Amino acid sequence: QQQVKQSPQSLIVQKGGISIINCAYENTAFDYFPWYQQFPGKGPALLIAIRPDVSEKKEGRFTISFNKSAKQFSLHIMDSQPGDSATYFCAASKGSGYSTLTFGKGTMLLVSP
Amino acid sequence: GAVVSQHPSWVICKSGTSVKIECRSLDFQATTMFWYRQFPKQSLMLMATSNEGSKATYEQGVEKDKFLINHASLTLSTLTVTSAHPEDSSFYICSARVTGTGNSPLHFGNGTRLTVT
Repeated sequence: QQQVKQSPQSLIVQKGGISIINCAYENTAFDYFPWYQQFPGKGPALLIAIRPDVSEKKEGRFTISFNKSAKQFSLHIMDSQPGDSATYFCAASKGSGYSTLTFGKGTMLLVSP
Repeated sequence: GAVVSQHPSWVICKSGTSVKIECRSLDFQATTMFWYRQFPKQSLMLMATSNEGSKATYEQGVEKDKFLINHASLTLSTLTVTSAHPEDSSFYICSARVTGTGNSPLHFGNGTRLTVT
């Protein structure tokens, strides 16, 4: 059972465009939703994260939109740049302390010049 | 801050040999570290949770006798792949969270690419 479903699997966006990646979760106990960015041959790096008490969080060109009732959250990358080309993973965890993350399958983003 | 260092970054070994991968938290203490495995173009799969001073907790389907984990200090966890086989070839990534900070961000190392010939 896949607890975090991510789409699309791959995405091509023109430079300056908006990249949108969606995730849906099943476990209502999840209370922390981070997005990670991974470049080839590197470990994932935390990009932005949100908790269920807010519907949107923005950091620079990156915005998370969160819909608790629909159990969905999405990442929007405004003014996408070629340097944003990477694989993006959404994730979710529950509880506190040392809880583990459940990852989506990832989205390969290519921003064309 | 919160840097996780992994060593080596890549390793090639012969089938049947063992390989040790180190994961260090450079500027913070981590009571718990996590080990993930990632196959090409796939997501990260949690293998085990490494607890300082106690036995690791393995995810279902992960052989604890094959993937030995030692977390001897608050800044170092090691993963040893014993009697490696070609199917063990993968990208192994460790992560850690600053001790005592609750649900704070998980910091990842840069991974170790293991190739078993």
